[in-house]
Amino acid sequence: SQTIHQWPATLVQPVGSPLSLECTVEGTSNPNLYWYRQAAGRGLQLLFYSVGIGQISSEVPQNLSASRPQDRQFILSSKKLLLSDSGFYLCAWSRGGTRGGYEQYFGPGTRLTVT
Amino acid sequence: KNQVEQSPQSLIILEGKNCTLQCNYTVSPFSNLRWYKQDTGRGPVSLTIMTFSENTKSNGRYTATLDADTKQSSLHITASQLSDSASYICVVSENNDMRFGAGTRLTVKP
Repeated sequence: SQTIHQWPATLVQPVGSPLSLECTVEGTSNPNLYWYRQAAGRGLQLLFYSVGIGQISSEVPQNLSASRPQDRQFILSSKKLLLSDSGFYLCAWSRGGTRGGYEQYFGPGTRLTVT
Repeated sequence: KNQVEQSPQSLIILEGKNCTLQCNYTVSPFSNLRWYKQDTGRGPVSLTIMTFSENTKSNGRYTATLDADTKQSSLHITASQLSDSASYICVVSENNDMRFGAGTRLTVKP
């Protein structure tokens, strides 16, 4: 069976500090991978998605970047955090193919608070 | 403009009661529609998925309906339990895109 891991679960960082969130998937190969952000009381916002190693698509201009150094590893980064980067970050995977065509399976999330 | 609108924004019901959540969308062309349940501080978990040709799909006490003509979907929860307290998110897909509703926050009280 497939599992998806995210860490850390919670993070408190000062403004201007760097960020690195990691997501890994087990039990599948060549998945599509996604990073979402969910602000308090708001819906999910797609930040990045990837259909393969080194292939990253950005959905919205922002202070964040993503990388996929391995098939089942997806990393969300920032060089300097802003207060507005606070939120709940979710990683998800789906079978490879069209972005909207397959079920997405979400990780447990990372709660980021920028102070 | 959000292409997926959910209502109500929040709902409080007593344990054992039924409730219905609504999702209206303008996404076109339509590929499929999913309902997710998201417990507080957790990732969403899929409840149902329906394609254009499906009118209803059940998962235990959860029943989703779809009217592709009017572009409306509903999620009906029967005999609610305290553990049903969560946000319920409607997601509508085109082939290469997914549109998320803002969710309905359901609270079930004893």
